[in-house]
Amino acid sequence: GQSLEQPSEVTAVEGAIVQINCTYQTSGFYGLSWYQQHDGGAPTFLSYNGLDGLEETGRFSSFLSRSDSYGYLLLQELQMKDSASYFCAVRDQSGGYQKVTFGTGTKLQVIP
Amino acid sequence: EAQVTQNPRYLITVTGKKLTVTCSQNMNHEYMSWYRQDPGLGLRQIYYSMNVEVTDKGDVPEGYKVSRKEKRNFPLILESPSPNQTSLYFCASSDRDRGGIDTQYFGPGTRLTVL
Repeated sequence: GQSLEQPSEVTAVEGAIVQINCTYQTSGFYGLSWYQQHDGGAPTFLSYNGLDGLEETGRFSSFLSRSDSYGYLLLQELQMKDSASYFCAVRDQSGGYQKVTFGTGTKLQVIP
Repeated sequence: EAQVTQNPRYLITVTGKKLTVTCSQNMNHEYMSWYRQDPGLGLRQIYYSMNVEVTDKGDVPEGYKVSRKEKRNFPLILESPSPNQTSLYFCASSDRDRGGIDTQYFGPGTRLTVL
């Protein structure tokens, strides 16, 4: 089977930089996605890494190292509205790369 | 407006009373999926569909059924709901070719309580 590990909670100061890590164990691997979910809301797609390296989208970046089975989401210039839960997700060989597995999520609290 | 809609948004029901949660998307996406979200467990995939008449089990399919008769609709059926199916349910869709399965658009969620 597959498993993903993320820290359950992270606290950071407004204006700072925070990194949310995700390690995975899968049978085969296709790519790593990141989603944001505010309390009471639906998950929204943030970023995807299919290859090793850094993907940048505005204040958010995501990194993948396939050899280390590890990725992270980097949030820069934190704003209060970034307080939310962040989920990593993978597709792997089980289900023919069509089945998606999410991590349990990291709750980010941004404080003034 | 491109969106995924779910109905109902809230539902309280009793054990054993069959129910259907509808999901519809207007983006012509091939891939659709159902998830349940429980505290501390994240999002767990129930069923997914790669296209019309093509469905497959996710990680937690027991007690659920789905159908994909039309590309835009992907209803979730609980034929005999039980209290352990009390959860927050999300439907999602993605374009298999543009952005890929990994770029999923989620519906607003359906909060189900089974008494």
